[in-house]
Amino acid sequence: DTGVSQNPRHKITKRGQNVTFRCDPISEHNRLYWYRQTLGQGPEFLTYFQNEAQLEKSRLLSDRFSAERPKGSFSTLEIQRTEQGDSAMYLCASSLALPPKNEQFFGPGTRLTVL
Amino acid sequence: GESVGLHLPTLSVQEGDNSIINCAYSNSASDYFIWYKQESGKGPQFIIDIRSNMDKRQGQRVTVLLNKTVKHLSLQIAATQPGDSAVYFCAEKGASGSRLTFGEGTQLTVNP
Repeated sequence: DTGVSQNPRHKITKRGQNVTFRCDPISEHNRLYWYRQTLGQGPEFLTYFQNEAQLEKSRLLSDRFSAERPKGSFSTLEIQRTEQGDSAMYLCASSLALPPKNEQFFGPGTRLTVL
Repeated sequence: GESVGLHLPTLSVQEGDNSIINCAYSNSASDYFIWYKQESGKGPQFIIDIRSNMDKRQGQRVTVLLNKTVKHLSLQIAATQPGDSAVYFCAEKGASGSRLTFGEGTQLTVNP
């Protein structure tokens, strides 16, 4: 399978714990995005990388959230001191940087439940 | 600010009929639009995209129409099948950025 992969698919944690999610993009894609989706809503942009550089962060990305893409391939999203409001589906997408082929392809997501 | 919205949160059609899902956007500077299909428990799946210099683009059984005058986007699905049942989102991207802004989605139900 050469699509975007995410691990774990599901994560249940207690409030106050830290969690980390991983995303492996499509191999030739140099852009990687993180989105968050709550039930019944469309995905909301969190942040994106071009290669190793984190180029944009949303206001949704509080200081408890940190994302990295150290080698320009896979990325991790860490949430510290989780809160119940962090419960959501965390989606990763990847794309090429330049048009015309810069459509974003999404992974299956990591569903986080904070108890 | 930028926003993308969808008309009709739900749409129910008979198998074999054509479906039309609509989307209105507010950012006249948006230059790229995408339709995604999302099945329960899965990530959004790319269906078709269109750039602002086009009015129409066709794929396999799907057509996207863009009306920049009224800032309206539609997705037409021909001969709708039960496997088309899902939530459909439109998304837009501004000319200066990379983030996608999504609408709230339309739940399409195809009745056999």
